[in-house]
Amino acid sequence: AQSVSQHNHHVILSEAASLELGCNYSYGGTVNLFWYVQYPGQHLQLLLKYFSGDPLVKGIKGFEAEFIKSKFSFNLRKPSVQWSDTAEYFCAVNGGSQGNLIFGKGTKLSVKP
Amino acid sequence: NAGVTQTPKFRVLKTGQSMTLLCAQDMNHEYMYWYRQDPGMGLRLIHYSVGEGTTAKGEVPDGYNVSRLKKQNFLLGLESAAPSQTSVYFCASKTGGYNEQFFGPGTRLTVL
Repeated sequence: AQSVSQHNHHVILSEAASLELGCNYSYGGTVNLFWYVQYPGQHLQLLLKYFSGDPLVKGIKGFEAEFIKSKFSFNLRKPSVQWSDTAEYFCAVNGGSQGNLIFGKGTKLSVKP
Repeated sequence: NAGVTQTPKFRVLKTGQSMTLLCAQDMNHEYMYWYRQDPGMGLRLIHYSVGEGTTAKGEVPDGYNVSRLKKQNFLLGLESAAPSQTSVYFCASKTGGYNEQFFGPGTRLTVL
């Protein structure tokens, strides 16, 4: 069965620091990968997605992610975080014949002003 | 477009009571999903539907039932609520294929 691992449970950064959140998945076939963000008290919103092509994917709000097939990874990055990036971030991979998403357990990001 | 909406936003139940959560989408999506979100557990799929009149079990279906009588609506029922069902419930929808899911605002349910 497919699974998604997010290595960091809680990351605390100061504003302007660089961010990298790890995501690894287990699946040997073609994958579609997603990063969602959940701001405090809100629903999940799509940050970016990878289906095929350029493994470096750019999303909203200055986020990007790199798909490294050999490492089964899809890490999320941002060069300089802001206080408004405080949120929980979820990595997800499509799973099953119905295209259901398998989510990681999430990483909470706290940005200190 | 309203996107995905959920009713109610908050609910408190006593053990053994029943209730129905309503999810509605106005994007003409075929697929709809119910998840629960618990601290440190991420999102876990309860049930899903690939079209009107069809439903299927997800990862954690026990204690829940669903119905998709209309394409735009997906109902989640709890027949006899238990404290273990205290959670935040999210509905999502998408088009066919491996596309992104669009999420509703969530329902916070507390079972005492």
